[in-house]
Amino acid sequence: QVQLQESGPGLVKPSETLSLTCAVSGYSISSGYYWGWIRQPPGKGLEWIGSIYHSGSTYYNPSLKSRVTISVDTSKNQFSLKLSSVTAADTAVYYCARVQDFDYWGQGTLVTVSS
Amino acid sequence: DVVMTQSPLSLPVTLGQPASISCRSSQSLVYSDGNTYLNWFQQRPGQSPRRLIYKVSNRDSGVPDRFSGSGSGTDFTLKISRVEAEDVGVYYCMQGTHWPPSWTFGQGTKVEIK
Repeated sequence: QVQLQESGPGLVKPSETLSLTCAVSGYSISSGYYWGWIRQPPGKGLEWIGSIYHSGSTYYNPSLKSRVTISVDTSKNQFSLKLSSVTAADTAVYYCARVQDFDYWGQGTLVTVSS
Repeated sequence: DVVMTQSPLSLPVTLGQPASISCRSSQSLVYSDGNTYLNWFQQRPGQSPRRLIYKVSNRDSGVPDRFSGSGSGTDFTLKISRVEAEDVGVYYCMQGTHWPPSWTFGQGTKVEIK
């Protein structure tokens, strides 16, 4: 069974960089699929942030592209998200998922942007 | 960019009664390979989204057969034949046809019991 687990700080100060990691078990990232990040502000809908292939090929939501970096570490079977210059509008539950199919999701982690 | 529009945004339903959610895309979701990459997700309160339906009408493993998906081109529908208490939550449609550059979700439809 494929499982994904997000980890990272739950509180980030405005203007700083949000960093999260998604550890994948039950499937080797190197075997294929795109892997990605989706976020959900409190009480709102889902927003795709970006995705990465094991080769390092990435696609980002145009609305966030200038601030987003997604990287992959196949040796650790995990991928990571960095979102720079955060504001209160970036407060959300951040999910990692096996994208293309969106068939496996992590439990999500709440990140609050506040001083 | 492809815009996904769901209606209604709120759907109060009586237990045992049917429910129907519409999802419309701003562009056709038929891909060059002939498939239509339209998914439906369920998000129960406090949980991660769960895929229910993929490629318009294919139910995921473990999804009750009271859930069904239909549609083509730009118009799609998720139907629940008889709503049960465990069906309460928010339902999202999502297109994967116009990727890259991006996947796009609908705004979500909140299903609640009257």
